[in-house]
Amino acid sequence: EDQVTQSPEALRLQEGESSSLNCSYTVSGLRGLFWYRQDPGKGPEFLFTLYSAGEEKEKERLKATLTKKESFLHITAPKPEDSATYLCAVRSNTGFQKLVFGTGTRLLVSP
Amino acid sequence: NAGVMQNPRHLVRRRGQEARLRCSPMKGHSHVYWYRQLPEEGLKFMVYLQKENIIDESGMPKERFSAEFPKEGPSILRIQQVVRGDSAAYFCASSPRDREGYGYTFGSGTRLTVV
Repeated sequence: EDQVTQSPEALRLQEGESSSLNCSYTVSGLRGLFWYRQDPGKGPEFLFTLYSAGEEKEKERLKATLTKKESFLHITAPKPEDSATYLCAVRSNTGFQKLVFGTGTRLLVSP
Repeated sequence: NAGVMQNPRHLVRRRGQEARLRCSPMKGHSHVYWYRQLPEEGLKFMVYLQKENIIDESGMPKERFSAEFPKEGPSILRIQQVVRGDSAAYFCASSPRDREGYGYTFGSGTRLTVV
C-alpha cells in the first residue's frame, strides 16, 4: 500500500529563517510526487510535480527536491504570506489516477 | 477562466438526510476527482470520473455514497442517510485528460456538517 509521511507536523519560523519540510514515501512505482499548498478554508493549490530521483524544481522562495525515498520542500527566507499547510502526495503505477496524500506540515512564519 | 466550482460551500444536514455536493470542473476539463478531508487527517481519494463513466471508485464507501458526472451539468457526489462520521470537507479536482504530471486543480470544497 502506498504511504506518505510528512514531518514535522507543524513548524514555526521567523521571517527570513530558512528551513525544509520532509516527505517520506513508499510506493509501488512512482508516477509523480506532488507538492501542494493549502490555506485555511481553501482547496489545495498545486506547486510542483517531481518524477525521478535528483530532480529539482523552484518557484520563488520554494525549491522541491526528490530522492528515491523522500522529497524535501526548501523554503528560503520565508515571508509571513508563506504561512500555510504544505501537502505532499504520490501517484503510483498501481494507483491509477489517484493521489495518496500525507497529513501535511502546518507552517507559520512570524514577522 | 473560472476555476473548479463547488457548491454549496457549507452544508448542514441532520442524521438520516441526504447530502448532494456539486462540482463544475474547469472549462475544457473532462476528468473529475473527489477527495474527502476528515479533521486532522489527510486528503483521501474517493472516486475518479470522466463524462458518463466511473473510472475508479476504489475509495468510495460501499454503502450510501454514489457519484456521477453526466454528459451535461456538474458532477454530483451523493451521500444518503448521512451519519455524524460523514462530517468532513469534500474537495473536487479536475484535469483536462489523463495527462501525466498534471497537478489537478482543486475547488474550495464543501464542508459538510451532520448534526
